[in-house]
Amino acid sequence: DQQVKQNSPSLSVQEGRISILNCDYTNSMFDYFLWYKKYPAEGPTFLISISSIKDKNEDGRFTVFLNKSAKHLSLHIVPSQPGDSAVYFCAALYSGTYKYIFGTGTRLKVLA
Amino acid sequence: DTAVSQTPKYLVTQMGNDKSIKCEQNLGHDTMYWYKQDSKKFLKIMFSYNNKELIINETVPNRFSPKSPDKAHLNLHINSLELGDSAVYFCASRHDGEQYFGPGTRLTVT
Repeated sequence: DQQVKQNSPSLSVQEGRISILNCDYTNSMFDYFLWYKKYPAEGPTFLISISSIKDKNEDGRFTVFLNKSAKHLSLHIVPSQPGDSAVYFCAALYSGTYKYIFGTGTRLKVLA
Repeated sequence: DTAVSQTPKYLVTQMGNDKSIKCEQNLGHDTMYWYKQDSKKFLKIMFSYNNKELIINETVPNRFSPKSPDKAHLNLHINSLELGDSAVYFCASRHDGEQYFGPGTRLTVT
């Protein structure tokens, strides 16, 4: 039973345009969400997070949006750069626990 | 000065063997994790320790045994390795809701 889903396994975007990566979750107990970026042969690196008390968090080119009623979050990257090409994982956490649930990842390719 | 390090990076071994993967973090974090990333690239939590105490123990075969000698180290020992154990294993530490991952250990069981 996959509680966190990333339904798009891959995404290609032209350099300079917006990349939108989506994530859906089923457990309404989740109250903290994170995005990680992963390059080949490396561990995931933390990108940005959002608490369920917010609906938007921004950090430079990266913005995460949270729609609690739809149990949906998205990561926007503007403008996209070739160095952003990686696999992006969303993760969810119920802050009363230490247990993170990860999605299956979306491979983003930014074309120069 | 790697924050979370794992050794070895690659491990090739035969079925039935016993092997260990080591993890160390120099971030001073209290909580550490082991994850398994299988062939479908799904990152699944296995264990978590907080200050040397086991706090998460997912449905993992008891051939897998974590050991935390101190809060900077979390090792994973695997007995009687099986083909299905082939995967990439990631160690991570946690602080303020964020996790910091090691580079992974690719385990191949032949």
